[in-house]
Amino acid sequence: DGGITQSPKYLFRKEGQNVTLSCEQNLNHDAMYWYRQDPGQGLRLIYYSQIVNDFQKGDIAEGYSVSREKKESFPLTVTSAQKNPTAFYLCASSMIPRGGSQPQHFGDGTRLSIL
Amino acid sequence: AQKITQTQPGMFVQEKEAVTLDCTYDTSDPSYGLFWYKQPSSGEMIFLIYQGSYDQQNATEGRYSLNFQKARKSANLVISASQLGDSAMYFCAMREVNLNNNDMRFGAGTRLTVKP
Repeated sequence: DGGITQSPKYLFRKEGQNVTLSCEQNLNHDAMYWYRQDPGQGLRLIYYSQIVNDFQKGDIAEGYSVSREKKESFPLTVTSAQKNPTAFYLCASSMIPRGGSQPQHFGDGTRLSIL
Repeated sequence: AQKITQTQPGMFVQEKEAVTLDCTYDTSDPSYGLFWYKQPSSGEMIFLIYQGSYDQQNATEGRYSLNFQKARKSANLVISASQLGDSAMYFCAMREVNLNNNDMRFGAGTRLTVKP
């Protein structure tokens, strides 16, 4: 079945450590996104990419980095510079939203906690 | 400025009754799309319904309908015949077409609890 796969489901980070969250999609979507969700809140955009080897910062990019070497993959690295990384991270993809009507499809998320 | 406002942190509804979840938005772009998502306790975001700013009729998808009042900038979600499985967080989101980005803006969400 087509969809978005995020791994791992749960991740623990030690102080000063970088960790990478995986996101893979087989929907043939050009655009991919990373969101952060804090308890009881909505989603905030970290990074997005519309094409391979290109990506743009969202509202809260500081302390995060991404790469887009393949259309299917958009990994997110939470660096040691992100001082409050504990959150639920959601990856999404969509067709390039010409006309605005294409919904984003989401993975099941990764819960990141600090040890 | 907040683009999407959901004023109801929590709502309760009796099983089999209808419920309306409120959403207001702010934009100067004449072309935009409005979306509703459901997030169960497991965490995944499920797309429910879409309304385009130029659509003449309110969108419907099964038991979901969108009460779109363009002049008031509101896009309320109506769930008819509520089921226990409808208990979840519900998020309203907007994409502005003419801005040179493709991200969505999400509201803070409403937690719906369906009572048996």
